[in-house]
Amino acid sequence: NAGVMQNPRHLVRRRGQEARLRCSPMKGHSHVYWYRQLPEEGLKFMVYLQKENIIDESGMPKERFSAEFPKEGPSILRIQQVVRGDSAAYFCASSPGRDMNTEAFFGQGTRLTVV
Amino acid sequence: AQSVTQPDIHITVSEGASLELRCNYSYGATPYLFWYVQSPGQGLQLLLKYFSGDTLVQGIKGFEAEFKRSQSSFNLRKPSVHWSDAAEYFCAVALGFTGTASKLTFGTGTRLQVTL
Repeated sequence: NAGVMQNPRHLVRRRGQEARLRCSPMKGHSHVYWYRQLPEEGLKFMVYLQKENIIDESGMPKERFSAEFPKEGPSILRIQQVVRGDSAAYFCASSPGRDMNTEAFFGQGTRLTVV
Repeated sequence: AQSVTQPDIHITVSEGASLELRCNYSYGATPYLFWYVQSPGQGLQLLLKYFSGDTLVQGIKGFEAEFKRSQSSFNLRKPSVHWSDAAEYFCAVALGFTGTASKLTFGTGTRLQVTL
């Protein structure tokens, strides 16, 4: 059973371009969470999605950032018109449910560099 | 707002020595508490968690953590460190429970180096 797969592992974008980060949850997991880790900081919650629904996006920046988790395919975190400050490691986690006794599994992250 | 402090950015211990990684949180009530480990090139793995009950929590890989309400701490311990424990360790808290990995607030991490 493959773990949470994130791709690409490294992504370089020029200022103003779009960045698309993909997250394939573990098999059987319908809950996905995105986190961002800025340099020298801890991971910060961005968004929580369940298949086709955004459950909680309270950590998402108001502009340029969006996330989706379609019925088929991976979850996508999209950043439009990237700026230098978007350079960070973006982590995805998935879980089979939201019960407190279920565990969420994290991917290896995507390191975004904006030049 | 809740916050998590891991005061030690980097710790070096000898193999076989005991280990304690510090974690302090700032929140008025008892939060849900977690410790994660990230080995190089890997995702974060859950070591243990505390929701309620016994304040001494046992986790995987021989780790344990103790919740001390009076000190707002949740320190991670291991009696004898193995070279394979070299990794980055993250403490995290959740304000209430809204989902297994939802709205976790992470500390900045402690990088553990193990010397032979």
